[in-house]
Amino acid sequence: GIQVEQSPPDLILQEGANSTLRCNFSDSVNNLQWFHQNPWGQLINLFYIPSGTKQNGRLSATTVATERYSLLYISSSQTTDSGVYFCAVERRGRINKFYFGSGTKLNVKP
Amino acid sequence: KAGVTQTPRYLIKTRGQQVTLSCSPISGHRSVSWYQQTPGQGLQFLFEYFSETQRNKGNFPGRFSGRQFSNSRSEMNVSTLELGDSALYLCASRLQDNYGYTFGSGTRLTVV
Repeated sequence: GIQVEQSPPDLILQEGANSTLRCNFSDSVNNLQWFHQNPWGQLINLFYIPSGTKQNGRLSATTVATERYSLLYISSSQTTDSGVYFCAVERRGRINKFYFGSGTKLNVKP
Repeated sequence: KAGVTQTPRYLIKTRGQQVTLSCSPISGHRSVSWYQQTPGQGLQFLFEYFSETQRNKGNFPGRFSGRQFSNSRSEMNVSTLELGDSALYLCASRLQDNYGYTFGSGTRLTVV
């Protein structure tokens, strides 16, 4: 399969701080998504970003496919940003199967 | 537009029983995938269906099976439940290949 490594595993921030979450993957991909898992377990799609840069409000993401990594930026963090962030990739040539990282658990304190 | 709907949300079963979980994808989405999430193993792929055909399967025993109907709704079945099958089961759908996935809220299964 493909290895997906996320760092850091845990992150504690004060409200208003910025953060960068990283996702490294071991092979070429044709799909990469970032998700936020809410307290009820649902995976909320943040970005579909197999390459390039996207922004959505306080969140932005960059994937450098040639170097096999993606970054998720959270600016001016809020307590509602707390939760687990997952990176998931679909390996090129081996579609229809997502490989998930182990997640980054973010705790934003007021 | 309704999202991916999974039923039931919670389920408690006894060892040895079987269980069926349901997933209704977003209207028009033909690809449905299932994932199991446990604290120890994280998120693992179970299987993927497209137009009623299973196209991909993860490394799970034969007790785990699934199917997809002509309206794209999907079910997964787990027979002879074991304590280790306790998990959050997530379903995802997408329009077609090379599109992003949308996940449902999951079914939390507890086996006692």
